[in-house]
Amino acid sequence: NAGVTQTPKFRVLKTGQSMTLLCAQDMNHEYMYWYRQDPGMGLRLIHYSVGEGTTAKGEVPDGYNVSRLKKQNFLLGLESAAPSQTSVYFCASSLQAGAGTDTQYFGPGTRLTVL
Amino acid sequence: AQSVTQLGSHVSVSEGALVLLRCNYSSSVPPYLFWYVQYPNQGLQLLLKYTSAATLVKGINGFEAEFKKSETSFHLTKPSAHMSDAAEYFCAVRAIKAAGNRLTFGGGTRVLVKP
Repeated sequence: NAGVTQTPKFRVLKTGQSMTLLCAQDMNHEYMYWYRQDPGMGLRLIHYSVGEGTTAKGEVPDGYNVSRLKKQNFLLGLESAAPSQTSVYFCASSLQAGAGTDTQYFGPGTRLTVL
Repeated sequence: AQSVTQLGSHVSVSEGALVLLRCNYSSSVPPYLFWYVQYPNQGLQLLLKYTSAATLVKGINGFEAEFKKSETSFHLTKPSAHMSDAAEYFCAVRAIKAAGNRLTFGGGTRVLVKP
């Protein structure tokens, strides 16, 4: 089991460019999440999905779009990158157990710099 | 809305000394509570979780946390620090009926272990 994998690991963009981050999980998890991590702010939820074909907004969704066309994949898109989107992005997935027991498993992260 | 406060963004301890990381939550109804650890250049890994069973929760690597409803706290401790405990630690909460089982994270506490 690879668990949760993220592609790419690093990326540098210029302002206005677009890109897609790919998250894949091989644990047959229903729920998937995208977070961004910034110093002193912990992790903030961007978007999440409770199943194939569904997505929902998190705490900081502006400037991002997502898609969940296949259960194992969750894509995060930046249509027009801005320097404020420089961050480390983490994907996570969970089984959809009861709220008390559901554990999120995290990928290794993608470090994105927008110049 | 749920919120989590971690007191102290950086903590320095000597090897063999007590590790104490503080976490307070704001919620009228006790939520589910989690501690995650992030080693350098890695994703987050679950240390332990409180799910309304025992108030003293034991986790991996010798860590434990105690839920205190009266103080709205869930502090993390380890009796004797090891060099391998150097990492960033995140407290997180999940509301009882959180949509998508989403988590809200604190700002994190980075632990430095001195020999």
